[in-house]
Amino acid sequence: QSALTQPRSVSGSPGQSVTISCTGTSSDVGAYNYVSWYQQYPGKAPKFMIYDVNKRPSGVPDRFSGSKSGNTASLTISGLQAEDEADYYCCSYAGRYTHWVFGGGTALTVL
Amino acid sequence: EVQLVESGGDVVQPGGSLRLSCAGSGFTFARYWMSWVRQAPGKGLEWVANIKEDGTDKYYVDSVKGRFTISRDNAKNSVYLQMNSLRVEDTAVYYCARNTFDMWGQGTMVTVSS
Repeated sequence: QSALTQPRSVSGSPGQSVTISCTGTSSDVGAYNYVSWYQQYPGKAPKFMIYDVNKRPSGVPDRFSGSKSGNTASLTISGLQAEDEADYYCCSYAGRYTHWVFGGGTALTVL
Repeated sequence: EVQLVESGGDVVQPGGSLRLSCAGSGFTFARYWMSWVRQAPGKGLEWVANIKEDGTDKYYVDSVKGRFTISRDNAKNSVYLQMNSLRVEDTAVYYCARNTFDMWGQGTMVTVSS
């Protein structure tokens, strides 16, 4: 039950786009279209941002988008805003016995 | 208001036990899988356990198998995590989350220390 691999940090200037990768294996990210993404501010609970690879829950801005290729999923945030500065986590279904695995998290800095 | 509220976190000695509770409101609790997810200080999220809508299926991360037990009481709209044989490495904020983590509680802190 290894964690998915995410970069420890990414950064971008306001208005720019950034992409956060999430690399798993053929047993999790590569096997299922059940990848989700969460935004977390310090001391707060995670917030549901993307599900089923590329679907947005109601209320999440369309600046946030998800995609997947092979064993790697990605979260892209376009038109960066200061309020986007937070930690981001990916998550994937990993089968009947492992169930769910999260990434190690990526700290986004808006310069 | 749709929400999840955890309780039961505390400071406990290694080898001790603790029972966490999570109460749901504002939605039909019995229609959803429920999970516990933890976050050690300064670390990432880790899925701990989940339980099917009717409580018949339960799954755990390897590191807690045999020590933690998830259960639920749909009449009380609540899910529980019984934690036994606690270790220092179980120290974390424990969140309950609905279904595929589309809703989270505020978390409850568990500290295992002598």
